[in-house]
Order: sequence, then structure tokens, then C-alpha cells
Amino acid sequence: GESVGLHLPTLSVQEGDNSIINCAYSNSASDYFIWYKQESGKGPQFIIDIRSNMDKRQGQRVTVLLNKTVKHLSLQIAATQPGDSAVYFCAERAAGKSTFGDGTTLTVKP
Amino acid sequence: DTAVSQTPKYLVTQMGNDKSIKCEQNLGHDTMYWYKQDSKKFLKIMFSYNNKELIINETVPNRFSPKSPDKAHLNLHINSLELGDSAVYFCASSDRTGGSYEQYFGPGTRLTVT
Repeated sequence: GESVGLHLPTLSVQEGDNSIINCAYSNSASDYFIWYKQESGKGPQFIIDIRSNMDKRQGQRVTVLLNKTVKHLSLQIAATQPGDSAVYFCAERAAGKSTFGDGTTLTVKP
Repeated sequence: DTAVSQTPKYLVTQMGNDKSIKCEQNLGHDTMYWYKQDSKKFLKIMFSYNNKELIINETVPNRFSPKSPDKAHLNLHINSLELGDSAVYFCASSDRTGGSYEQYFGPGTRLTVT
């Protein structure tokens, strides 16, 4: 399933499917991007980051894609698990300041 | 061995009161932040301190005053609390050396103003 973080704030996927969470950023001067995961009742937690000189970075079950031409960032989660249910935030950094996008709530159905 | 801790976790108070939230990090980071998260989960930065110096001060009412007694602590004092101050407040820290700007967040303080 897919979601645009700013316009469709919820995403529901079946366990085992791949999830794609999208984020549109606004500042063309942003040079660093981070995805955070926030579980219920907890603070945001770092998932993966990417610098503006890269277009793809992979972690464990997660991949971040960066398209600077259209100022778009996505987080792909492979084989989504119930423990992935959370709110996901993208954050862009420019001029020493990080700005968080609206969160996307991911719900994983067993 | 908590990395970023905040106290209290819950704070219920009446309009007009003054309250403080404390934050401590034991990561040796040089930069600390305060964020406000509203009911729609939107995270907005309020302040940032680097080595006890204020470096980011977003458009926040003067009723909010951060204080950093040392690099490991950043407290938030709020005067004359209003209903609209109800939110979850997160403290975070980061280390600008090494090129990673990953922020480590505390567990949050849920402030309810009645």
C-alpha cells in the first residue's frame, strides 16, 4: 500500500505486505533527511537517514528513496509486521534546523 | 541507563498556573531541543540549545522559557498556563559531531490544562 504523508495520514496494510510511506518536503536547500517511528505513548525513534547526495539508502527491512527533482521522500518497509504499527515522520534539515512533516499512521492487520 | 529522560510524565494543572518540565540526557550530546506535539500528532520545534546557548527560538509565546543549566539539562518553564498549551512535550538531544543529526527523544510529558 501507499500513502502520501501530508494528504493521506493513515495507511493500513496486511501483515507480510510491503508498505510505502511518502513525504513531500518543501525546502530545496534541505541536505539531510530522517525517518522516525513513533509508537503509542513513546517519543519518536530514528529509523534511517539519507543525505541529499544520495538517492537511495537501505537498512534492515527499510529503504529510503530520495527524489530531489520533485522534493519527495519515501520509506519502504518490507514484509510489514504488527510491530511496525506506529506513526511515521519524515524530517528535513536545512540551515541547522530540522522540520518534521505531518505523521502517517501505519496500521498492520494480522 | 535511560538516554533522554523527562519529568514528570504526566502533568495536570489549572489555567493560570506556572509549571516546569525537566529534561536530562546522559549521551554527552551538545544540542538539546523542546518539541510540542498536538492532538493531531504534528511535531513542532520550540527551542534548541547548543552548549547551553539558545540557537533556535521559534515563534513561541513569551510564557515559555527554556533554561539550560548545563549541557546535559534543558528545562522548560511555562507561565500562566492556557488551555491551548495542552499537548505532549518532547525533549530531544543530538550530537553535531560525526555528521549525523539524528535526534534522541525522551518519552514525553503529557500536559493537560483544565
